[in-house]
Amino acid sequence: NAGVTQTPKFQVLKTGQSMTLQCAQDMNHEYMSWYRQDPGMGLRLIHYSVGAGITDQGEVPNGYNVSRSTTEDFPLRLLSAAPSQTSVYFCASISSANYGYTFGSGTRLTVV
Amino acid sequence: GESVGLHLPTLSVQEGDNSIINCAYSNSASDYFIWYKQESGKGPQFIIDIRSNMDKRQGQRVTVLLNKTVKHLSLQIAATQPGDSAVYFCAENSGGSNYKLTFGKGTLLTVNP
Repeated sequence: NAGVTQTPKFQVLKTGQSMTLQCAQDMNHEYMSWYRQDPGMGLRLIHYSVGAGITDQGEVPNGYNVSRSTTEDFPLRLLSAAPSQTSVYFCASISSANYGYTFGSGTRLTVV
Repeated sequence: GESVGLHLPTLSVQEGDNSIINCAYSNSASDYFIWYKQESGKGPQFIIDIRSNMDKRQGQRVTVLLNKTVKHLSLQIAATQPGDSAVYFCAENSGGSNYKLTFGKGTLLTVNP
């Protein structure tokens, strides 16, 4: 099993550009989430999904969109990148039967 | 221990010593808590969890203690090794569900050989 796979690992965007961060898991987990990690701020929840076709906002959703068309994939879209979105983004998944997220290795995004 | 400030709390120990990392959680309604380890350049890795109906849980070289009265969580690492050097986060299910976790700011553990 690959676990949670995130692509790309690094990305530099110009202000105003859009892009999609990809996340895929092969563990058949129902729940998936996106977090951002900033220095001294810990991990903050952006969006989450409890199953295919169901998404909801987390603590810091502004400027991001998500969709969950399949159980495996949970892409995060930046609509119009801003320097404040410079961060490390982590995707995570969890089974309803288990506890404790499995995290991907992260995408380091810089917006200039 | 963890704090709401911008500076990451740090703990420096000698190899072979025991480490204790503390966390003050925020929501008295939280009933599930997790400790994660994050090495440089990697995603957080699950270490151990505990439910609110317990006050202690042990794993391999790690023990988590929960004090609900003062909303305090601690992670004890026995015989700390250089490979234990990382940032450690506590998390709580303050949203009432196991898939909405609120994370602490983290504590940087450095193990000196």
